[in-house]
Amino acid sequence: AQKITQTQPGMFVQEKEAVTLDCTYDTSDQSYGLFWYKQPSSGEMIFLIYQGSYDEQNATEGRYSLNFQKARKSANLVISASQLGDSAMYFCAMIRNTGGFKTIFGAGTRLFVKA
Amino acid sequence: DTAVSQTPKYLVTQMGNDKSIKCEQNLGHDTMYWYKQDSKKFLKIMFSYNNKELIINETVPNRFSPKSPDKAHLNLHINSLELGDSAVYFCASSLARQVSTDTQYFGPGTRLTVL
Repeated sequence: AQKITQTQPGMFVQEKEAVTLDCTYDTSDQSYGLFWYKQPSSGEMIFLIYQGSYDEQNATEGRYSLNFQKARKSANLVISASQLGDSAMYFCAMIRNTGGFKTIFGAGTRLFVKA
Repeated sequence: DTAVSQTPKYLVTQMGNDKSIKCEQNLGHDTMYWYKQDSKKFLKIMFSYNNKELIINETVPNRFSPKSPDKAHLNLHINSLELGDSAVYFCASSLARQVSTDTQYFGPGTRLTVL
């Protein structure tokens, strides 16, 4: 079955330090996309970064990078130099084409950044 | 300029009522989605439409009826509301051209509370 697993329900990080949020996925598809979204307490879903299944280089967007290990089926999000505003829920997601583009989400990781 | 907008932002109603949530996107995307986020923050896809046609229907009760008058709009009508329908409903849109790069953009969400 296709699924996304985020094993860390909650994490703490000290301001200015780096943090890694784990995500593993399970699929037999060859073509898929992996995405990370941030949901602050205000509730909106903010797109952060994506990685295509055929991309050989790890994706980076500013302070966000995606550590993609295809053989291990993992797509961890690394946030460098954490800021207080990074405190939020983070969702890992996978998009597959099942005759239509379908996204499945992990359960999320709540990140707390300490001053 | 709001990319994906939803109205209303909050909806409080009695069990048994019928209500609608509207969604509009001005991104020129072909595909729109409805997601439900439950009280445990779990996000699940409900429907997707591509160019006004239903593509994905994830075993949602038929009390939920999406309607897409054009590709920029996807409304959600819910009949005979039940307590379990209380959740945050997110609309999203994407180009849906290539699965590995298909970034979805989310609306602000509609918090539905059924009393």
